[in-house]
Amino acid sequence: AQKITQTQPGMFVQEKEAVTLDCTYDTSDQSYGLFWYKQPSSGEMIFLIYQGSYDEQNATEGRYSLNFQKARKSANLVISASQLGDSAMYFCAMRKNSGGSNYKLTFGKGTLLTVNP
Amino acid sequence: KAGVTQTPRYLIKTRGQQVTLSCSPISGHRSVSWYQQTPGQGLQFLFEYFSETQRNKGNFPGRFSGRQFSNSRSEMNVSTLELGDSALYLCASSRQSSSPLHFGNGTRLTVT
Repeated sequence: AQKITQTQPGMFVQEKEAVTLDCTYDTSDQSYGLFWYKQPSSGEMIFLIYQGSYDEQNATEGRYSLNFQKARKSANLVISASQLGDSAMYFCAMRKNSGGSNYKLTFGKGTLLTVNP
Repeated sequence: KAGVTQTPRYLIKTRGQQVTLSCSPISGHRSVSWYQQTPGQGLQFLFEYFSETQRNKGNFPGRFSGRQFSNSRSEMNVSTLELGDSALYLCASSRQSSSPLHFGNGTRLTVT
């Protein structure tokens, strides 16, 4: 079974500073994918970044980067130069990348990020 | 390119009624998944359809069912509604197994 743990229920950051949101995972699968989603108060889940278990380089997408440490089973999200619009709930999720469960995501409980002006 | 569209955005139903939620995936996406989000249980997988076939099902009672049409649009049905079914229901679509899931805005269901 897969499990995602996000230990920070809430985080605060000053505008323009960087922030790291923690995510650890547990799986016995060799091939898997890790995702980060952002959920504003409107409810929509917005895809931010993806890291495959066999990807050698850490994924980056604009101001988002994923600090992937496979041996530690961690996949922390780093947001650089925070903006007020980054205030939202952030979810870490994982998916097995082989077999018949390709499309099932297992989510963590989320971290509520608040960006202060 | 249009995103995932879910209708309606809000629903209020009473216990015992049934409800149908609709999801139109991104054009070209053949997989549609449904998730339930509640404050207590978080995000939980309901089921996934690909080319009109249910490929995976989460741990939900048989009152929760779904289907997918030939144009990849999907519907989810909940019969005999219970208070605990109050939740945000999210639909997601994906082109292939290596692609990320793209979610819609969700349907917020309130059961009174």
